[in-house]
Parts: sequence; structure tokens; C-alpha cells
Amino acid sequence: DQQVKQNSPSLSVQEGRISILNCDYTNSMFDYFLWYKKYPAEGPTFLISISSIKDKNEDGRFTVFLNKSAKHLSLHIVPSQPGDSAVYFCAASEGRGGADGLTFGKGTHLIIQP
Amino acid sequence: DGGITQSPKYLFRKEGQNVTLSCEQNLNHDAMYWYRQDPGQGLRLIYYSQIVNDFQKGDIAEGYSVSREKKESFPLTVTSAQKNPTAFYLCASSAQGTGFTSNYGYTFGSGTRLTVV
Repeated sequence: DQQVKQNSPSLSVQEGRISILNCDYTNSMFDYFLWYKKYPAEGPTFLISISSIKDKNEDGRFTVFLNKSAKHLSLHIVPSQPGDSAVYFCAASEGRGGADGLTFGKGTHLIIQP
Repeated sequence: DGGITQSPKYLFRKEGQNVTLSCEQNLNHDAMYWYRQDPGQGLRLIYYSQIVNDFQKGDIAEGYSVSREKKESFPLTVTSAQKNPTAFYLCASSAQGTGFTSNYGYTFGSGTRLTVV
């Protein structure tokens, strides 16, 4: 059973427009959520995170929204740039500061078209 | 520069052989992790270690073994018991007990692609 779900395997967005990547989770004990960006044959790099006590966190072009009642979070990228084309993973942590590892979704491949 | 190094980048193994993947970090992180990525899949936790000489099984530990004799090193052995070892393996480390950080200081290596031939 998947505890973190990214239901869109891929997403195509025009350059300059907003990209919205979605993530759903089932484990109500998750208290911290992270987004990672990954290029092929490379390790993931951290983008942005949010604690369960917040509903929004913003960092430059990236904003993460958390809806705890719906167990849903989304990553907004605006404006989208060609370098944003990558696979994006949603990850969650169940307490202890991630000490027991992170639970990842399957990823969404974002394609930015010129 | 501090970082986490995985070697080799590509590894080929014959069926029935054990193979060891290296992971070294100089970030002074206490915790280290091994994840596996398959095509179209997320990262799945194999093993993790929070302190030297101690480690715990993750979600898919069968067919794998680890050791943590030094803080800097967390090698992963893929044994012949692992039925489907071909995958991309990622090592990560994080700082524990150092206060709240935006991503727990989670740092990933660049990965090792293992192929069984």
C-alpha cells in the first residue's frame, strides 16, 4: 500500500506558465513533507519543505501548499523555466525528524515546453 | 567541499555473485540511508543507520546487508539472495539531533546503477 501517492506520472507545461504538481498521502502520522527534484542518473536535490503545522511555504518561484484535512499537498512553480524539466518526488516523514527514513511517491515527470 | 560520494557509478554483476556498493560522507552526519529506485517507481528504503555499529531494516531489506563500522561509511552489499537487483541505488545522509533544518540536512549521493548480466 502506497502511503504517498503522485497520481500524475507526467505533466507538460508551457514555459512561463504555472506548474502544479500534486501529492496525496494516507498516513495521518506524517508531520513533515518535502519536495525533491531529480535528473536522470543523479541523486535527488532538495527543493522545499513544509511542516504539518503550516499550510503554505514559499521560496522564490516555489510554493508548497498543504491541506491536512484532505491529506493533500501541491507544489507550485511559477514562472516555469526550461531548467525545471525533471522528475519531482514528494516525500513525507513520520516524526523523529526523518530519522527513520523518508517515504517517497513515485514521482511526476515535469516537461517544460518552449 | 563536504558531500556524499557513491562509487562506482555503474556496476555489472553476474547472477549468483555478491557485490558491494560504496557510500562515503564527510558531512559529519550521524544518520545514513540506502534507497533503491526502479523505473517509474519512487525511492524505497533498504537499510538505515543512525549511529555507528547500529542499523535497521527498511521496507525492502531482503537480499541486502550493510555495515556501519565508521561514521563516514555505510557500504551496501547486494547478495545473491536479492531476486531482482538491477536498479539505481541511492545513498543519503542526514544530521540528527542538531535542531530543526528545512530538510533535516538530507543529502543524496549521485547514485550507483547496478545491472545484473
